[in-house]
Amino acid sequence: EVQLLESGGGLVQPGGSLRLSCAASGFTFSSYAMTWVRQAPGKGLEWVSAISSGGGSAYYADSLKGRFTISRDNSRNTLYLQLNSLTAEDTAVYYCAKSMTTVTSYSDYWGQGTLVTVSS
Amino acid sequence: EIVLTQSPATLSLSPGERATLSCRASQTVSSYLAWYQQKPGQAPRLLIYDASSRATGIPARFSGSGSGTDFTLTISSLEPEDFAVYYCQQRSNWPLTFGGGTKVEIK
Repeated sequence: EVQLLESGGGLVQPGGSLRLSCAASGFTFSSYAMTWVRQAPGKGLEWVSAISSGGGSAYYADSLKGRFTISRDNSRNTLYLQLNSLTAEDTAVYYCAKSMTTVTSYSDYWGQGTLVTVSS
Repeated sequence: EIVLTQSPATLSLSPGERATLSCRASQTVSSYLAWYQQKPGQAPRLLIYDASSRATGIPARFSGSGSGTDFTLTISSLEPEDFAVYYCQQRSNWPLTFGGGTKVEIK
């Protein structure tokens, strides 16, 4: 059974940093691209970032302006998202999701999300 | 960036009725479009990919159609568990983008 378990969310002050993790199990992690999607309270889904199966290619939403960094450790079956220079607009539930293929595609399995709250 | 516009924002229907949801892209995405369902407090679930292919375990009452810039998700006969928010997503161009969503509510 595919499982994705996000962690690392919490309350952070504006301008602060946070690192999110997503522990994967139930599939061959190194064979699939992975994605982060976020959802602000009461709002729609926003695609954030994706990384290829081997980690050699990463993609980001234009709106992030270089503040976020996606990475993965295939030996630990774990996906990461480093969030820097956080603002209130980054407050959201962050979901990690598995792509259908080795290259970024649609997301067929999702975690339950981790909440990031940016507030003073 | 490709903008996906979903309509209507809200669809009020009764169980057993047919639901027709629209997603329009600001430029062609070929057939690289998916549909997701999200219920309150839950993660999204993939329903349709590549415009018309049903994902694993998705009931046959869900169908997708379209190509280029205009796409449709049809639910042939609404079941109580189908009342939710539906999103389209394109994977034709970076960055990937989602539509704003259509809420299907009980009339």
